[in-house]
Amino acid sequence: DAGITQSPRHKVTETGTPVTLRCHQTENHRYMYWYRQDPGHGLRLIHYSYGVKDTDKGEVSDGYSVSRSKTEDFLLTLESATSSQTSVYFCAISTGLARNNEQFFGPGTRLTVL
Amino acid sequence: DQQVKQNSPSLSVQEGRISILNCDYTNSMFDYFLWYKKYPAEGPTFLISISSIKDKNEDGRFTVFLNKSAKHLSLHIVPSQPGDSAVYFCAATQGGSEKLVFGKGTKLTVNP
Repeated sequence: DAGITQSPRHKVTETGTPVTLRCHQTENHRYMYWYRQDPGHGLRLIHYSYGVKDTDKGEVSDGYSVSRSKTEDFLLTLESATSSQTSVYFCAISTGLARNNEQFFGPGTRLTVL
Repeated sequence: DQQVKQNSPSLSVQEGRISILNCDYTNSMFDYFLWYKKYPAEGPTFLISISSIKDKNEDGRFTVFLNKSAKHLSLHIVPSQPGDSAVYFCAATQGGSEKLVFGKGTKLTVNP
């Protein structure tokens, strides 16, 4: 299994509070991604990073920000959580070396915004 | 607009029979396709992939077929086992992109 951990694994928070989710990898992969999974929507890309301090938006980036100050860590921040951000969040990594982009996923963080 | 579509939210098959999961795509620039398997409370795991230069790729009980003219791919699992019960996601990408586009998933249930 790829060395990817996510923390926390579960979080309950209130509307309007800031929340930060952490993804940590031990594989030294260049690319890191944040997805959310919701019933009826599958996996949707929020933000991704192609190197330290290099990030870009995905399909559903509104209300989210990210930071990557080290190769191994990719943080997802909800500045002011809303109930619509209740979801399961997955981090993924890929090497970016091969033409074919297989991504490896972390175990997920279940976030509930009340 | 959905670029990758999995039109069957669920599929139920008997153990030992064939499971066929379908996926359609609309973007003709996609040239690499992947299937992921996801168990509850776990992250998706890579299962099998296929490049657009091929029309079939096989790995043990899993075979993926690609029909480029129809923009359709399918995952065949033979024989199906109860441990195959999971949600299966189809994903697609195009050369040079590090981003995957996922379908909504199909929940497969294999009954003993």
